[in-house]
Amino acid sequence: AQTVTQSQPEMSVQEAETVTLSCTYDTSESDYYLFWYKQPPSRQMILVIRQEAYKQQNATENRFSVNFQKAAKSFSLKISDSQLGDAAMYFCAYKVRSGYALNFGKGTSLLVTP
Amino acid sequence: NAGVTQTPKFQVLKTGQSMTLQCAQDMNHEYMSWYRQDPGMGLRLIHYSVGAGITDQGEVPNGYNVSRSTTEDFPLRLLSAAPSQTSVYFCASSAQDRGNTEAFFGQGTRLTVV
Repeated sequence: AQTVTQSQPEMSVQEAETVTLSCTYDTSESDYYLFWYKQPPSRQMILVIRQEAYKQQNATENRFSVNFQKAAKSFSLKISDSQLGDAAMYFCAYKVRSGYALNFGKGTSLLVTP
Repeated sequence: NAGVTQTPKFQVLKTGQSMTLQCAQDMNHEYMSWYRQDPGMGLRLIHYSVGAGITDQGEVPNGYNVSRSTTEDFPLRLLSAAPSQTSVYFCASSAQDRGNTEAFFGQGTRLTVV
């Protein structure tokens, strides 16, 4: 079974600063996908960024980037120039290519202070 | 586009009552799934469907039934509600490409069983 671990239940960052959220996963598969989802207080699940395991280049979406270390099974999310609107719960998720379901971590609650 | 629509958004049930959470998507997605979100637990898969007439169990299926008579609809039935089923429920859908396809989520149903 695949497991996803987010070791930081809560994180705090000041506006305009940079924060990194950690995620590790356990799998015996070689072809899979990793995702970061954002859940603001509205409850809506929003895809932030995705990474394909066979791609060595780290994915980037504007202020959001990942550090994907396949050998270490690590997939951290870096948020640059943090904004108040970034405050949310962030979930790391894994999906094997041959499957359908997402396996989620327990989430990291990000607080952004002015 | 409506995307994934869940109803109701909030519901209070008494122990032993039954109810159906509705989920509909208008993107012609083959894959649909139900998750429950509990504090500190992330999202856990209840049931999923890979197409009309095909359903299967996820990680936490006990106490829930599903059916998929059309591509668009994937209702979740609680047969006899229990306080342990108090949770936020999410329906999600994605296209047949099981690899990098983004999962689209409904806005969730907050269910309280008293």
